This record gives sequence, structure tokens and C-alpha cells, in this order.
Amino acid sequence: SQKIEQNSEALNIQEGKTATLTCNYTNYSPAYLQWYRQDPGRGPVFLLLIRENEKEKRKERLKVTFDTTLKQSLFHITASQPADSATYLCALDRAGGSYIPTFGRGTSLIVHP
Amino acid sequence: EPEVTQTPSHQVTQMGQEVILRCVPISNHLYFYWYRQILGQKVEFLVSFYNNEISEKSEIFDDQFSVERPDGSNFTLKIRSTKLEDSAMYFCASTVHVKSTDTQYFGPGTRLTVL
Repeated sequence: SQKIEQNSEALNIQEGKTATLTCNYTNYSPAYLQWYRQDPGRGPVFLLLIRENEKEKRKERLKVTFDTTLKQSLFHITASQPADSATYLCALDRAGGSYIPTFGRGTSLIVHP
Repeated sequence: EPEVTQTPSHQVTQMGQEVILRCVPISNHLYFYWYRQILGQKVEFLVSFYNNEISEKSEIFDDQFSVERPDGSNFTLKIRSTKLEDSAMYFCASTVHVKSTDTQYFGPGTRLTVL
């Protein structure tokens, strides 16, 4: 069955460094992949979408890559700030062509001042 | 900026009771969704709704769940007879369309606690 894997261990980095989060998937070829931010007790907030035929997408300090051969997406936050501390969710479209996202469990990012 | 709202923010209920969770999607959006997130777990899709009927539902959305758009603004999720395992955050979301490029806008969630 379709599986999405994100590192369950929190990523701790120093302010100003680049944070890199990983999303791996198996048993599926998604048409798109999305990244969301979720703060404690709040709903996910959409950040970026990348399609299967795109290698890289950027938005301000955020960069997403999508390697369909490796079945992996990397999410980068450059010049990280304590305010970037949150859980970051990877989501793929559901098997069968539905455009409803299927979420990974997310990785917690903690940026230390 | 328009946003999805949900009420109540926290609902405590006894096992076996019925609960109704309410959502007001963004006004020009046409597609509505419910998700749930058990504490420490991933966000899981429950149901999508368009044109006053269910478009798609997951295996979680069994006969104890129902959705309704009772008027032009509210979108509700009813759980008929709550179980302990229904305790979770429930998120409503909406989109203009249902294409891959459409951003899902999530509400702040309702925390449901079943005792």
C-alpha cells in the first residue's frame, strides 16, 4: 500500500542555518507533492506544491525538490529563524487520481536562537 | 484574508453521545472536507463534499458519521454515537475547485474528547 515516510525525530538546528527535511514514499507515483506547516493545536497551512514533472520549486526562503526516481522530496528552509519552528507535513495525492492529499506524519523542526 | 472557521474549539462528550462539529468554509469555495488527527498521528482524510453530496469518503467514514450543509454557509460533521477512539482533532478544509493546484485551506480544528 501507499506509504509516506518522514523522519519522526525532531530536527534541531541553529538560527541562520539551512533546515532540510525529507519525505520518502513507496508503492506510488504521485502526480504532485505538497508541503504544509502545522503549529501545535492548529490546522495545516499550505506552503508549496511541486508537480511530478518539476525538479525544484522556490518561494522566498523555501525550496522543495522532487526526485521521482529516488521517490523523495527534500524541503529546505534557508536562513532559518526561531519562528520557523513547527511540524512540517509532506502530502501526496491519493492513489487512484483523487486530488485529496494523503499526509505523512510530519517532522518537527526546532530552530534555536 | 478569508479563513475557514470551526466551532467549538473544544468539545467534551460522553461515550455514546452524539456530537455535531461545525465549520464555515471560505465563502466562494465549492468543495469541503473533513479530516481528523489523533494526537501524535498523521492527518487523515474522512470525507469530501460537493454540490450537496458526498464526493469521496475514506474507510474511516463509516455509518456513525454524516455530513451536511444545512444552509449556505455552514458545513457540519455529525458523529452519532461517539466512541473513545473518536477522540481527536477534527479539521474542516475547503477549496475553490478540486484540482491538484488548488490549495486546501484548513480551519483551526475542533478538539473532541470522548470520556
